[in-house]
Amino acid sequence: DSGVTQTPKHLITATGQRVTLRCSPRSGDLSVYWYQQSLDQGLQFLIQYYNGEERAKGNILERFSAQQFPDLHSELNLSSLELGDSALYFCASSNIPAGAYNEQFFGPGTRLTVL
Amino acid sequence: AQSVTQLDSHVSVSEGTPVLLRCNYSSSYSPSLFWYVQHPNKGLQLLLKYTSAATLVKGINGFEAEFKKSETSFHLTKPSAHMSDAAEYFCVVSENTGRRALTFGSGTRLQVQP
Repeated sequence: DSGVTQTPKHLITATGQRVTLRCSPRSGDLSVYWYQQSLDQGLQFLIQYYNGEERAKGNILERFSAQQFPDLHSELNLSSLELGDSALYFCASSNIPAGAYNEQFFGPGTRLTVL
Repeated sequence: AQSVTQLDSHVSVSEGTPVLLRCNYSSSYSPSLFWYVQHPNKGLQLLLKYTSAATLVKGINGFEAEFKKSETSFHLTKPSAHMSDAAEYFCVVSENTGRRALTFGSGTRLQVQP
């Protein structure tokens, strides 16, 4: 158990809909990262938040957005869903700037199925 | 820019024989390198990490990796495979800069035959 929690575990929805995925980082971790894992794209970095502020963006679509709240939990919002958005979405956390490296701890993921 | 190439998409070994999963990286900065493992229907777990200290890194469950700068490689090894090692393995690079996001390789699926 990494200490990172994600809800829900599974989500099934229809095209055009909007969903929200939730992540609670490990206690004390200020950084949250979102990743998408799909069969055709592999594991891709989407976005990073640090202490409530956006820190870096990866391959995140404009239909997707995220935020990190004062209690440090984070939400990933996916809208106008398409079939291709079906994937496993991971959240990870780390404690930056502590340490000289960037070890991230991953949650169990949310499996999104768009029908 | 950074990138990771995992040279084998599938590796099959017999239980009790050595494991070698190959990884080459490219990075503009001195990188941190990691191996993560993903068991079926599970999240990712850190196996080991290289952070510019010792070049031979020991991880959990008997896995090791050696950082070779001249070859830009970070291959993962284990002397004797166990059935429970069957999983997907990801080689990962991270820039030691402000962004600190991880760049994942495409993964190597390890099969362990009885």
